[in-house]
Amino acid sequence: GAGVSQTPSNKVTEKGKYVELRCDPISGHTALYWYRQSLGQGPEFLIYFQGTGAADDSGLPNDRFFAVRPEGSVSTLKIQRTERGDSAMYLCASSLKGQGNTEAFFGQGTRLTVV
Amino acid sequence: AQSVTQLGSHVSVSEGALVLLRCNYSSSVPPYLFWYVQYPNQGLQLLLKYTSAATLVKGINGFEAEFKKSETSFHLTKPSAHMSDAAEYFCAVSVGTGRRALTFGSGTRLQVQP
Repeated sequence: GAGVSQTPSNKVTEKGKYVELRCDPISGHTALYWYRQSLGQGPEFLIYFQGTGAADDSGLPNDRFFAVRPEGSVSTLKIQRTERGDSAMYLCASSLKGQGNTEAFFGQGTRLTVV
Repeated sequence: AQSVTQLGSHVSVSEGALVLLRCNYSSSVPPYLFWYVQYPNQGLQLLLKYTSAATLVKGINGFEAEFKKSETSFHLTKPSAHMSDAAEYFCAVSVGTGRRALTFGSGTRLQVQP
């Protein structure tokens, strides 16, 4: 596609429910990143994929959060037993090679609200 | 570990005035530095990046930033603000080895007054 696509754009869920957030990166980009942005803050790193594997998942806050990228393209961020504190904007980005000096292209994000 | 500090969560300038958004970084190895802009209801867009070539970096929309190692700074400037520059601006750092994700500052919201 022309850019990074994230669906849904908005998600409201009840506390304790399971949610999945989808990211469709730019075609050909091997690196994919998930970030979380709370109101008034900058994005915080969650996980980085190089191809199909999670090269760095050190930003995942706890074991309720999990992400996959089974075919090296689309990625899904999964959150189990959601809590109100999980409410935030979840951003996905992709880059051509995942090197530190290459540009990351961001999607418009999924705004998750846990009620 | 690397970090970024953006001084001033809100900056207000008059249209036509100089824009100066401050960013200081901390990194134990030579960093790569970025400025991103976020317009309302849009994703982050890269304005410019420093990757150890020229210390004065020119970006889109008339913005530029200068890498100053001695001051550990990467301030963003634009000579003349336009109403369309009103947005949230984020400074970010990454390092060439290890984690390749970006570490962002907390952002500066720029208001441009007519």
